[in-house]
Amino acid sequence: GNSVTQMEGPVTLSEEAFLTINCTYTATGYPSLFWYVQYPGEGLQLLLKATKADDKGSNKGFEATYRKETTSFHLEKGSVQVSDSAVYFCALSDPNTGNQFYFGTGTSLTVIP
Amino acid sequence: EAGVAQSPRYKIIEKRQSVAFWCNPISGHATLYWYQQILGQGPKLLIQFQNNGVVDDSQLPKDRFSAERLKGVDSTLKIQPAKLEDSAVYLCASSLRFIREAGNTIYFGEGSWLTVV
Repeated sequence: GNSVTQMEGPVTLSEEAFLTINCTYTATGYPSLFWYVQYPGEGLQLLLKATKADDKGSNKGFEATYRKETTSFHLEKGSVQVSDSAVYFCALSDPNTGNQFYFGTGTSLTVIP
Repeated sequence: EAGVAQSPRYKIIEKRQSVAFWCNPISGHATLYWYQQILGQGPKLLIQFQNNGVVDDSQLPKDRFSAERLKGVDSTLKIQPAKLEDSAVYLCASSLRFIREAGNTIYFGEGSWLTVV
């Protein structure tokens, strides 16, 4: 079946530190992979996505590369800001099952000045 | 472009009472989802509609939860009677018509926060 496993948090970093949040997946087909971000009191917002192997999604300084050989989609940012404090969710969708989405449990990030 | 609209934003009810949440998806989006997000967890799909037909409701607790999407646009999620463990955020989301397209993104509303006391 389809599933997503995320690195557990919470993660606390100082401003300008390097961020990595690990995500691995299990899928029966050829999924698309996503990172969503949830700021306090808000719904989930799409951060970036990749639809095939070796694709790199990027947005707002965040990047993630679709690695089929390691079934991973790790989120990275070179220099985090206080405003990046949020919960980050890795997700996959399988077009062969009506694009049902499968979410990880989320990783809470706090960036301190 | 307007996003996914949900109401109410916050609701506090006593156990055994009923509650209803409303969702208006992004214009032109044929697929509509309801997710339940318990504090500290990822969203869990409750039901997925394609137009006004149900695609997947396998995780909907049908003894107390119901959802409808009349005319293939707005949707209502109802809980009756509510239990303490239903305290969660109820997220509505929508996506474009071609559900088998790779990378088809879903867009979330801000959520309806339910507290059952």
